[in-house]
Amino acid sequence: QKEVEQNSGPLSVPEGAIASLNCTYSDRGSQSFFWYRQYSGKSPELIMFIYSNGDKEDGRFTAQLNKASQYVSLLIRDSQPSDSATYLCAVANNDMRFGAGTRLTVKP
Amino acid sequence: DTEVTQTPKHLVMGMTNKKSLKCEQHMGHRAMYWYKQKAKKPPELMFVYSYEKLSINESVPSRFSPECPNSSLLNLHLHALQPEDSALYLCASSQDRGGYNSPLHFGNGTRLTVT
Repeated sequence: QKEVEQNSGPLSVPEGAIASLNCTYSDRGSQSFFWYRQYSGKSPELIMFIYSNGDKEDGRFTAQLNKASQYVSLLIRDSQPSDSATYLCAVANNDMRFGAGTRLTVKP
Repeated sequence: DTEVTQTPKHLVMGMTNKKSLKCEQHMGHRAMYWYKQKAKKPPELMFVYSYEKLSINESVPSRFSPECPNSSLLNLHLHALQPEDSALYLCASSQDRGGYNSPLHFGNGTRLTVT
């Protein structure tokens, strides 16, 4: 079983829709959970982090964490074509481990 | 722009060459990392330095040799690489290693091609 699993996609949504990205992890000792966005040929950039169960909102982005289910998600509201990228879920105990990423395409 | 600076941006080297990748951060972070990323794959952890001491080496071949001269600098020395080592090499830093201060800040990466 992979440490961090994501649906590789591609996920395609129309402009203005909600994009939902999901991630599961295997290490119950994981403490910190992150979402990174990576444009093609660029380095990952941090979008959000979440440490506690529940929801955390930042602008158009909402991260959701359920430690009992070992599940993290990212919702992107009012999706824009500029949101088209690969979204990496990362989980940290001592060190950060990345999922394979979900490729999101937002169509105008 | 990123607060973690990597040089060079691109590097082409032969299998007999020796080269070094450099990384610098001035955010006062105490942990620095090297990741390797192949196309359409997630970043893979290679090395972690915490308070200038090597904390983890993910069974990386000895042809990769990390060095942390001080808390702001991180080098990766390359020698006798193979074509399959061609990848994007990412440097990252975090306030501390692990726990609640572990968001990684990535540099722009060095695109390495081994011929």
